Amino acid sequence: GQQLNQSPQSMFIQEGEDVSMNCTSSNIFNTWLWYKQDPGEGPVLLIALYKAGELTSNGRLTAQFGITRKDSFLNISASIPSDVGIYFCAGQGSNDYKLSFGAGTTVTVRA
Amino acid sequence: DAGITQSPRHKVTETGTPVTLRCHQTENHRYMYWYRQDPGHGLRLIHYSYGVKDTDKGEVSDGYSVSRSKTEDFLLTLESATSSQTSVYFCAISEIGGPQETQYFGPGTRLLVL
Repeated sequence: GQQLNQSPQSMFIQEGEDVSMNCTSSNIFNTWLWYKQDPGEGPVLLIALYKAGELTSNGRLTAQFGITRKDSFLNISASIPSDVGIYFCAGQGSNDYKLSFGAGTTVTVRA
Repeated sequence: DAGITQSPRHKVTETGTPVTLRCHQTENHRYMYWYRQDPGHGLRLIHYSYGVKDTDKGEVSDGYSVSRSKTEDFLLTLESATSSQTSVYFCAISEIGGPQETQYFGPGTRLLVL
């Protein structure tokens, strides 16, 4: 699979703050997915993006498919304690339908 | 929640023993995947299946084999477990297996090889 660069690796945020994370690739992707993983659980799909420039929201989460098709961003607004977890991006290229995953961003919220 | 179960959820085994992990789905999805998750590596594909008896290798397939005799079940076998195979294993399913792919994950199996 193709390696995705996800940043930051980890973040400590204050409750109520907005937070952003992103994924970049050296190759063009046709699909970007964002997952959240709680401790001891499997990743849960948050948002799926299928078109360059697409901006999609799911509650306090907003994700964007970059215009270059080589990056994607996830924003969490007004963070709350249950936002704690690991967030993964995943991308799908045009020639290989298998997903490539970023290494994850660990989010810890200070109450 | 996608209807995916994995068994066992936790297992401790010894080096050199065979181990089989099971993934069971109730969604009748055609595509099934096995991943391993290790710190700093995210999720890496071991093997996948695109139909009954149709399987292929992923990027970290050495030391693993799979079988799919029924749509709902996908088995991952560690033929002779090694300590490097200590990991958390996730099964995923998808309906599409192509463009606009969306995968749904099971709860994981935590494997410790002593």
